[in-house]
Amino acid sequence: KNEVEQSPQNLTAQEGEFITINCSYSVGISALHWLQQHPGGGIVSLFMLSSGKKKHGRLIATINIQEKHSSLHITASHPRDSAVYICAVRYNTDKLIFGTGTRLQVFP
Amino acid sequence: GAGVSQSPSNKVTEKGKDVELRCDPISGHTALYWYRQSLGQGLEFLIYFQGNSAPDKSGLPSDRFSAERTGGSVSTLTIQRTQQEDSAVYLCASSLRPGSNYEQYFGPGTRLTVT
Repeated sequence: KNEVEQSPQNLTAQEGEFITINCSYSVGISALHWLQQHPGGGIVSLFMLSSGKKKHGRLIATINIQEKHSSLHITASHPRDSAVYICAVRYNTDKLIFGTGTRLQVFP
Repeated sequence: GAGVSQSPSNKVTEKGKDVELRCDPISGHTALYWYRQSLGQGLEFLIYFQGNSAPDKSGLPSDRFSAERTGGSVSTLTIQRTQQEDSAVYLCASSLRPGSNYEQYFGPGTRLTVT
């Protein structure tokens, strides 16, 4: 069982839809990262958070420490949002433990 | 400014040969990380450097894998006697300091194919 669980594994949406990707982890963490990986492309860090909520443009990330759960929301989705979104957690070490990713496809 | 760079971008090698993968972190970043993404698999941690020392090398899959960092900058990941299961994308990341307050910036990766 992966220490970091993401859902759904695959997600398709129509342009303009509101999207939610979920991430759960099993023990207390020091930080949680949301990463984006485009097909054939590198990885971009979207958010790093340890509590509360962060917003950047159409992207919103929230974390509930007590429930050990985080969500990534995309408002007004666009085909260019199509990518793999990866949740990663950091415990009391410096290495990241990654979820298996959520593959998002947004159709026009 | 310049981001994390990696070379080569693609490497095809025959089984049994040794390969070296290079990572140039962002200037001034003291922490450097190596990760691997195998086909159809998730990302996994390999090794982490703080300066030139490696406090955590727990992710290296076998003693065929080694890494070093010199001058607190460039790092090299070496795989000896490559096997087909070593085929993967090898990613490097750097952060200004270690610790959860600092974001990691990823390089474009090196795609290794062992034939």
